[in-house]
Amino acid sequence: SQQGEEDPQALSIQEGENATMNCSYKTSINNLQWYRQNSGRGLVHLILIRSNEREKHSGRLRVTLDTSKKSSSLLITASRAADTASYFCAAISGNTPLVFGKGTRLSVIA
Amino acid sequence: DVKVTQSSRYLVKRTGEKVFLECVQDMDHENMFWYRQDPGLGLRLIYFSYDVKMKEKGDIPEGYSVSREKKERFSLILESASTNQTSMYLCASSSFQASYGYTFGSGTRLTVV
Repeated sequence: SQQGEEDPQALSIQEGENATMNCSYKTSINNLQWYRQNSGRGLVHLILIRSNEREKHSGRLRVTLDTSKKSSSLLITASRAADTASYFCAAISGNTPLVFGKGTRLSVIA
Repeated sequence: DVKVTQSSRYLVKRTGEKVFLECVQDMDHENMFWYRQDPGLGLRLIYFSYDVKMKEKGDIPEGYSVSREKKERFSLILESASTNQTSMYLCASSSFQASYGYTFGSGTRLTVV
């Protein structure tokens, strides 16, 4: 697997706004995964998008994947204070361990 | 509810002690992993295992060892704890090729004094 690079490093928005985070990677992949981490806790798997998919939805989450640009984006619509967390992406190819970047720290202000 | 359980949430140990961090999963997953997380450095892979009695070194294995005697249990061992091993330790498991993502435990915050 390879490290995903999240961008921006930090994001601060008002409650109700949309939050967009981006992820770039370097080589071909089987799938790309997004995780959330609340302060001091383990990571929680949010969504997985396979290399032959372009867009996927789960509740207020929308993930896109552009394999030609080797990038993905995570959109959280109508953000809530409870969405405050760090978000990580990881790109996987084969059965190799996930390598995580430093994440995007999202702050949603009520 | 499927889960990964780490034996301790907080742990304080003395320098030189042998420390065992236990991780148990109930999902019959083949793959198990140990990461440590430090501010500014992100998550770094220590060791992983794809099968019982099998282990592979990750990016930072020095000062650590692991044991996987049963499929559901993956233990991380600090042979002689040092202050630079103070960190958050995260265990995770997955099926083959992580087809459904990783499931993480809640983490163990280890302080070595």
